[in-house]
Amino acid sequence: DTGVSQDPRHKITKRGQNVTFRCDPISEHNRLYWYRQTLGQGPEFLTYFQNEAQLEKSRLLSDRFSAERPKGSFSTLEIQRTEQGDSAMYLCAGGQGATTEAFFGQGTRLTVV
Amino acid sequence: EDQVTQSPEALRLQEGESSSLNCSYTVSGLRGLFWYRQDPGKGPEFLFTLYSAGEEKEKERLKATLTKKESFLHITAPKPEDSATYLCAVQVIQTSGSRLTFGEGTQLTVNP
Repeated sequence: DTGVSQDPRHKITKRGQNVTFRCDPISEHNRLYWYRQTLGQGPEFLTYFQNEAQLEKSRLLSDRFSAERPKGSFSTLEIQRTEQGDSAMYLCAGGQGATTEAFFGQGTRLTVV
Repeated sequence: EDQVTQSPEALRLQEGESSSLNCSYTVSGLRGLFWYRQDPGKGPEFLFTLYSAGEEKEKERLKATLTKKESFLHITAPKPEDSATYLCAVQVIQTSGSRLTFGEGTQLTVNP
C-alpha cells in the first residue's frame, strides 16, 4: 500500500461532459504528480505540485485540463468538454521530502463514449 | 529532449529461465533512474532507484544495474508471479519540478 488513494477507480462519461478526479496522498507527500497512461504506453507526465504550488505543467495539459491542490493535501484533476482521446488511465503519485521516489495510486480509468 | 527506450517490448520466459530487460536513456543530466512494476489495471509499483553509474540494487529475484547510457533489470529464476509490465523512468536535474519520463515498458510473461 503506497498510501495514495484515487477516486473514482472507473469513470464512464459521454463526450462533452466534465469530469473530476480526486487524489489523496499521505500527509508526508509534499510532492504530488498527475500522469496519464494509455494502453501499451508508459505514463506521461501532466503536472506537478510541491505542497499547494503547481510548479510544472506539461504541454499535454491543454486548457481543458485543470489541476488543483488546495492546502497542499488532496488534489483534483478536472477535464472539461471531454473528448474520446481523453480515454486513458489517470495516475496520481506522491513523493516525500527531498527523496526522489514517487509512489503511485491505483489510478482512475476514464472511458469517454 | 529526454528519451527512454526499453527493450524488448515483450518477453516470454519459462519458469526458472533467467534473463535481462534493457532500458537505454538519453538525458541532459540524470538525477535518478527508476524501475517500476505494473500489473494490469493497477498503478506502477516502485522497485528501485539508481543514481550513479556502477550502482546495483537487489530485491528478491530482481537486480537492477546502471551505466552511463543504460540500465538493466536482471531477473534470476523467475516465477509466474513475476509476470507484469516493467517500466523504466528517468528523472533529470531541473531547476524546478522532478517529473519522471517513462519508457514504454517491457511486458514479461513467465510460464509455469
